[in-house]
Amino acid sequence: QKEVEQDPGPLSVPEGAIVSLNCTYSNSAFQYFMWYRQYSRKGPELLMYTYSSGNKEDGRFTAQVDKSSKYISLFIRDSQPSDSATYLCAMSKGAQKLVFGQGTRLTINP
Amino acid sequence: DVKVTQSSRYLVKRTGEKVFLECVQDMDHENMFWYRQDPGLGLRLIYFSYDVKMKEKGDIPEGYSVSREKKERFSLILESASTNQTSMYLCASSLARATSGNTIYFGEGSWLTVV
Repeated sequence: QKEVEQDPGPLSVPEGAIVSLNCTYSNSAFQYFMWYRQYSRKGPELLMYTYSSGNKEDGRFTAQVDKSSKYISLFIRDSQPSDSATYLCAMSKGAQKLVFGQGTRLTINP
Repeated sequence: DVKVTQSSRYLVKRTGEKVFLECVQDMDHENMFWYRQDPGLGLRLIYFSYDVKMKEKGDIPEGYSVSREKKERFSLILESASTNQTSMYLCASSLARATSGNTIYFGEGSWLTVV
């Protein structure tokens, strides 16, 4: 069993829809949770960062962490074609080794 | 802004060649990492370094070595390139201590094709 599980998709939704991306994990020691966005042929860029449990909002993006269920989510409101990318969840016990999900490829259709 | 620079974006090498992938970061980060990314397999850690001249194996170190002679520079070396090392290679860096708000920053990636 992988430490971090993420549905690879692909996921295709119409412009303006609310998108929900999710990851589950097995290691209860994880404290830091991140979402990265990766455009085609580019490196991943940090989108959201959360420490421990709770919600964090940044514009159209909301990250949720439920440590009791070992489940994290990223919500995108009012999705735009420019949001089309691969979204990677990542988590760690510290600032060192991250463990990544497989990534979900998302397409927003105009 | 944090800048992690991978000098070569696209390379084509022959089987058996020695390949160097260079990475430089400008934020005085202690930690540096090399990952490879393959479809269906996600990001896999090859090697990482916590300090100058220090290295530790990641999950898939076979066929690779690394060098960190200066804090800002971390090199990945393929001693004898093989076709199964065709991949996208990502360099990353981070601060040593986990503090609220700090995390790992990635370069743009190096696409290596071994023929």
